[in-house]
Amino acid sequence: ETGVTQTPRHLVMGMTNKKSLKCEQHLGHNAMYWYKQSAKKPLELMFVYNFKEQTENNSVPSRFSPECPNSSHLFLHLHTLQPEDSALYLCASRGQGTGYGYTFGSGTRLTVV
Amino acid sequence: KQEVTQIPAALSVPEGENLVLNCSFTDSAIYNLQWFRQDPGKGLTSLLLIQSSQREQTSGRLNASLDKSSGRSTLYIAASQPGDSATYLCAAHPSGNTPLVFGKGTRLSVIA
Repeated sequence: ETGVTQTPRHLVMGMTNKKSLKCEQHLGHNAMYWYKQSAKKPLELMFVYNFKEQTENNSVPSRFSPECPNSSHLFLHLHTLQPEDSALYLCASRGQGTGYGYTFGSGTRLTVV
Repeated sequence: KQEVTQIPAALSVPEGENLVLNCSFTDSAIYNLQWFRQDPGKGLTSLLLIQSSQREQTSGRLNASLDKSSGRSTLYIAASQPGDSATYLCAAHPSGNTPLVFGKGTRLSVIA
């Protein structure tokens, strides 16, 4: 375990379902991120939160809705997804200062059917 | 805008060989640089972080160097093992408030 925990590890959902991905860190980090990784494609940054405030939305469709209730928890709410949204969704966190790198979770493998 | 390039895209070597993975970045004003390892279908594992004021970092058989003036970083793996087979990602951090910029990775296969 890296200190960043993502649940569930695997998720299969229909296009009309609503589900949520959860990310939790107790590393004392103040920044949290959602990334998408599709098959054979590079990592795509989706959302950035600093001190619970969203600071970046990388042109993500509204069917993805992030929520950051506190500095330790980050959610990604999903609704009316498309099959092309099937991917590995990764959460990361980072502390402040040049000595802090990104710590990633193990990811949630999402399949939309 | 920072861009990160990794060469080669794929590499296959026999077990025991020493190898170097290359990473180049376009803007030398970086906050820090991080090397990650990713196994198929898994998350990213941080290997080494080099701060902007540092020239290299070492962890076990791994050594990463940073040359900001030339916009280059290398990851050296000594005495490679089949368990080293994975995709290695280089990521430059442009500033404290700007997210990491990733390269596309080098897929390494170490053959027993």
